[in-house]
Amino acid sequence: GIQVEQSPPDLILQEGANSTLRCNFSDSVNNLQWFHQNPWGQLINLFYIPSGTKQNGRLSATTVATERYSLLYISSSQTTDSGVYFCAVLSSNTGKLIFGQGTTLQVKP
Amino acid sequence: EAEVAQSPRYKITEKSQAVAFWCDPISGHATLYWYRQILGQGPELLVQFQDESVVDDSQLPKDRFSAERLKGVDSTLKIQPAELGDSAMYLCASSFAAYSPLHFGNGTRLTVT
Repeated sequence: GIQVEQSPPDLILQEGANSTLRCNFSDSVNNLQWFHQNPWGQLINLFYIPSGTKQNGRLSATTVATERYSLLYISSSQTTDSGVYFCAVLSSNTGKLIFGQGTTLQVKP
Repeated sequence: EAEVAQSPRYKITEKSQAVAFWCDPISGHATLYWYRQILGQGPELLVQFQDESVVDDSQLPKDRFSAERLKGVDSTLKIQPAELGDSAMYLCASSFAAYSPLHFGNGTRLTVT
């Protein structure tokens, strides 16, 4: 089946710093979504981004489907950005939404 | 903003007991998912419904797990009997259609003792 790899696995930032999270996938996909899981376990949908670039405040995402990767940019990070960031891809072959293992982000004040 | 409702929020049960989780998706969402998330890992799909029909339950341990969505609205996931390895977060999600953005509930954290 399709493989989804996220990097880095862990990231520690000082408040105000910028960061880039990466999601690589091994096969063609119909869509890609980025989620943030807060320390209480709630998963929030950040972006639905099968291709191109989207921005929402300090966050933006870019997916290059032909090269099988997506990037999530966080600018001017805040302590509330802490948590785990997951990308999930909808496999074109199986129709299943497959999650990566996540990037754990800690933003220090 | 509409939310996916799940209950209970936490559940502690002894092994060999039965346990059930409930999910009410966002109104109008035809697709409903149950995911299991083990600490430190990404969510893993257990079962996917389109309206009242199961479209994927290939990862559901059918000897002990069952799921239903009788009227195509709310859904119940049951485990009987529970095993120690079932301790995890059980997440329900819904989407307008299978290719639409996913929205998750708060999850049920299950501890089996």
